[in-house]
Amino acid sequence: QEQLVESGGGLVQPGRSLRLSCEASGSTLSRYGIHWVRQAPGKGLEWVALISNNGNNKFYADSVKGRFTISRDRSKNMLFLEMASLRPQDTAIYYCAKEAFSGSYYGMDVWGPGTMVTVSS
Amino acid sequence: DIQMTQSPSSVSASIGDRVTITCRTSQDISRWLAWYQQKPGKAPKLLIYAASSLQSGVPSRFSGNGSGTDFSLTVSSLQPDDIATYYCQQAKIFPFTFGPGTKVEI
Repeated sequence: QEQLVESGGGLVQPGRSLRLSCEASGSTLSRYGIHWVRQAPGKGLEWVALISNNGNNKFYADSVKGRFTISRDRSKNMLFLEMASLRPQDTAIYYCAKEAFSGSYYGMDVWGPGTMVTVSS
Repeated sequence: DIQMTQSPSSVSASIGDRVTITCRTSQDISRWLAWYQQKPGKAPKLLIYAASSLQSGVPSRFSGNGSGTDFSLTVSSLQPDDIATYYCQQAKIFPFTFGPGTKVEI
């Protein structure tokens, strides 16, 4: 059974950086686009970023563009989100999620349990 | 960016009721729309993709409809396990966006 697990969350001061990881088990991530989605406490879902299955295409929400970088290590079946210049409004649970179908974008069928990022002094 | 709206923001229903949630987008997205269910403290779960295709393992009481800018999610007979918040998401144009959510309560 496919599973994703995020790690790397924690408490960080405004302006600092943090790197989140997403590891897959039970399947290979390399065939699928992978997203990061976040959810601030008590709020709705916010799409953050996507990396295509071959890693050549990356897309970002306007709120994180220029500060966050998505990447993947296909050999290790892992995905990363480098977050720089963090702001209090980046405080959220961060989920990685796999696209349901290879090579296209229809929806996210496997989600990790999430990792909490708190940006506060 | 494509703006998403959902209505109602919350709905109170009884077990066995038919519940319909609507989602509207600010631009034509054809049928590039997904629906998710999220329970408190849990990750979202994909219910519907391509506006009306039922994700594997999802009960048939869930159905999706629509195209262009207007979409709907219907639960034909509400069950206790369906108490959750439901989100639509457009997958046509980057950046992808989610609707604000609809909370379904008993």
